[in-house]
Amino acid sequence: AQSVTQPDIHITVSEGASLELRCNYSYGATPYLFWYVQSPGQGLQLLLKYFSGDTLVQGIKGFEAEFKRSQSSFNLRKPSVHWSDAAEYFCAVDPGYSTLTFGKGTMLLVSP
Amino acid sequence: DADVTQTPRNRITKTGKRIMLECSQTKGHDRMYWYRQDPGLGLRLIYYSFDVKDINKGEISDGYSVSRQAQAKFSLSLESAIPNQTALYFCATSTGVSNQPQHFGDGTRLSIL
Repeated sequence: AQSVTQPDIHITVSEGASLELRCNYSYGATPYLFWYVQSPGQGLQLLLKYFSGDTLVQGIKGFEAEFKRSQSSFNLRKPSVHWSDAAEYFCAVDPGYSTLTFGKGTMLLVSP
Repeated sequence: DADVTQTPRNRITKTGKRIMLECSQTKGHDRMYWYRQDPGLGLRLIYYSFDVKDINKGEISDGYSVSRQAQAKFSLSLESAIPNQTALYFCATSTGVSNQPQHFGDGTRLSIL
């Protein structure tokens, strides 16, 4: 069955440290890939997306993600985390049907 | 003003009641979606609509129905609410191009007692 896996339910990172959030998908072909962020009480905001081409994509707020076909992964990274990055992060895939399947999310906590 | 507006933002109701959640958008998008979010489960698709005459079931449509009243309006109904439908509900929209992202409203928090 098609699926999206975010293996880390919670991650705690010190402010200023680097961050990597993992996402793996299981689809027959390369889907369209997205990362969204949800701050408390808010809807989902798009951070970045991958459709084709360069496998390293840049997003808003200093985030980037790298698509690795061989690993079926689309991991989100940030070189230096700020306290305002504390939120829940969702990886999502669209296999081409214009519908999204979401991972279960990773809650990012930022320590002083 | 928000591009995707959900009403109400919060609702508390009793088991067995009929509930309607409304979504309107000013983005001019053809496609609209309803999701529910439960802690630890992420977002799951309930129903989606690619245009006014098109309605499709998502992953978890049982117990729900929808109405696409116009291009800009998409309502979700719970015919007879039950406690396990307590969740955060999101509406989203997108253009007709499949590789374009979805845009989300701020959600409706629904509690069923």
